[in-house]
Amino acid sequence: AQRVTQPEKLLSVFKGAPVELKCNYSYSGSPELFWYVQYSRQRLQLLLRHISRESIKGFTADLNKGETSFHLKKPFAQEEDSAMYYCALRGYQKVTFGTGTKLQVIP
Amino acid sequence: DTGVSQNPRHKITKRGQNVTFRCDPISEHNRLYWYRQTLGQGPEFLTYFQNEAQLEKSRLLSDRFSAERPKGSFSTLEIQRTEQGDSAMYLCASSPLGGGRGETQYFGPGTRLLVL
Repeated sequence: AQRVTQPEKLLSVFKGAPVELKCNYSYSGSPELFWYVQYSRQRLQLLLRHISRESIKGFTADLNKGETSFHLKKPFAQEEDSAMYYCALRGYQKVTFGTGTKLQVIP
Repeated sequence: DTGVSQNPRHKITKRGQNVTFRCDPISEHNRLYWYRQTLGQGPEFLTYFQNEAQLEKSRLLSDRFSAERPKGSFSTLEIQRTEQGDSAMYLCASSPLGGGRGETQYFGPGTRLLVL
């Protein structure tokens, strides 16, 4: 079975503060992890994926197989980062999403 | 707009009625996914097509749910004898030919279903 856990429903930070959105997973195979974001009144869209090792909008995420984690980080939060963030795991044939974390950046 | 489209965007129906939703994926995307999302939850996988073949179906999908993708292009999701618990946002996503590791899914705007 594959499972994704996002322990925080809501994360509030001040503008300019560091952000870390937590994601832990359970999967017996070699995982493919993603972060998706949904801004207000917009559709769900890909933010980044672990295989690309990229930084998008200042966000990065490192796959830690030992801790089975894929936390999303940004050193300095911006107001426009306020959104719902979903961690997702692609296993064999299907994708499992976490319950999401709402990031609220306080001006 | 060349993104994934879904119709209708909203649907209100009475318990016991049948409803059908349509998803038009991005042109030439051979993979198509259906998800259901309820309040406070992430998207929940329902089913997946590669071209016209339905390759995976969630055990959560009861016999009242059926999906088709007859020509490998658009897809329909039908719910028979709707129940109040079916009220949710139904999301469609597609991904490009080849997929593979790091496959990106492109989501539609969703169809919000309310069963009275």
